[in-house]
Amino acid sequence: DGGITQSPKYLFRKEGQNVTLSCEQNLNHDAMYWYRQDPGQGLRLIYYSQIVNDFQKGDIAEGYSVSREKKESFPLTVTSAQKNPTAFYLCASRREWGRPGYTFGSGTRLTVV
Amino acid sequence: RKEVEQDPGPFNVPEGATVAFNCTYSNSASQSFFWYRQDCRKEPKLLMSVYSSGNEDGRFTAQLNRASQYISLLIRDSKLSDSATYLCVVIAPPGNTGKPIFGQGTTLQVKP
Repeated sequence: DGGITQSPKYLFRKEGQNVTLSCEQNLNHDAMYWYRQDPGQGLRLIYYSQIVNDFQKGDIAEGYSVSREKKESFPLTVTSAQKNPTAFYLCASRREWGRPGYTFGSGTRLTVV
Repeated sequence: RKEVEQDPGPFNVPEGATVAFNCTYSNSASQSFFWYRQDCRKEPKLLMSVYSSGNEDGRFTAQLNRASQYISLLIRDSKLSDSATYLCVVIAPPGNTGKPIFGQGTTLQVKP
C-alpha cells in the first residue's frame, strides 16, 4: 500500500547538534510539506515543495533546512540555529488529482536533551 | 487576526448529541477547505473536503459560508469514538495549489 514513512519515530538531540528527519512517500505526489506541532497547538508550516529541486519557506523556516532531490524524498534538517526544536514534526504530501487532501506520515517526536 | 481561527474548546457533549464547530478564515480568495481529525499523539487524517454546496458523509456535514468566511462541521448522534481534535485547513491562494494553513484545532470529548 502507498503511504508516507517518517523516521525515526522518536529522536533525541543534544544542544548544538544538527539532526535530519526523514520523509519518504510512494504515492507519486508532487507536493510535500513539513509541519511542526507543539503541545495543544495547531500545525505550523516550516517548508514545502511543489516540485523536485524547488522548495519554499513556510511560516517558521528559521533554523530549518530542506532538500528535494527526488520526488519521493523530502528530508528536514533541524539545525543548531533552531533554539526551541522540541516538538512533533509531521510530513505530508498532496495529490493533484482525484480525491483532494493531504496525507500525513506518522510523525517524529524530537526532544532536545 | 490569524489567517485561520478555531475555538479550541474543549467541547464536552453526551453521547447522541449533535455538535457543531466553526472555522473562520481571513483571505476571501481561498478556494479549498478541508476538515481533518487528529487523535492524541497521532497524525491528522482527512475527515472530509468542504464543497461550496455543502456535503454530507454519514453523521458528518460540512458547510462553507463564503459571505461570512467560515466553514463548519456538524456531527450528529455523537459517538465516544468521535472524541478527538478537529482541524480545519484552508488553502491560501493562488487557486487550489497554494500553501495549506491549519487552524489550531477544536477538541471534542464525548461522554457516556
